[in-house]
Amino acid sequence: KNQVEQSPQSLIILEGKNCTLQCNYTVSPFSNLRWYKQDTGRGPVSLTIMTFSENTKSNGRYTATLDADTKQSSLHITASQLSDSASYICVVRGYGGATNKLIFGTGTLLAVQP
Amino acid sequence: DTEVTQTPKHLVMGMTNKKSLKCEQHMGHRAMYWYKQKAKKPPELMFVYSYEKLSINESVPSRFSPECPNSSLLNLHLHALQPEDSALYLCASSQDRSDLPTTQYFGPGTRLLVL
Repeated sequence: KNQVEQSPQSLIILEGKNCTLQCNYTVSPFSNLRWYKQDTGRGPVSLTIMTFSENTKSNGRYTATLDADTKQSSLHITASQLSDSASYICVVRGYGGATNKLIFGTGTLLAVQP
Repeated sequence: DTEVTQTPKHLVMGMTNKKSLKCEQHMGHRAMYWYKQKAKKPPELMFVYSYEKLSINESVPSRFSPECPNSSLLNLHLHALQPEDSALYLCASSQDRSDLPTTQYFGPGTRLLVL
């Protein structure tokens, strides 16, 4: 079964600190993996998107890594800010079949405190 | 313009009402999507339109009826909803290119409450 699991479920950090969120997936065949940030009551906003051949991709203070062999990805947030408080969702797209379908993880809820 | 807009932002309706949610994008995307999201849960795909034709219906109850009048607009018609249908309804769009890692752009959502 195609699944995407994220850890931790929730995380509290102090402003200025770094953190790393994890994503494990069993989607096969694999096309690409995305990280989205979703503020409460708002639509998700894309942070990064990586294909099979990409190991790392950065977007400002966000750096995503991908290990397609172990089917793991991480999202590292550097020098956290209060505005980083949100849910971070890992989304994997399979290849073939209903190719427009994305498989969503359950998200990590991040709270950055002053 | 990388924006997907949705109206209304909030909607309260009774179980006998008929209402419609609207979504619009002007990025030239040919794939558009409706998702339903309950609190603290990931979005669940409902419908996918590709080139204005319905390509995926995730076994959604018939009280939800999608419509794609043109390549920029997507509607979701609601009729005889149940209280458990209360959720955030998200619209998204993307280039319909299965050979490319296209990004889905999400709208801000419509917060629906069914009484």
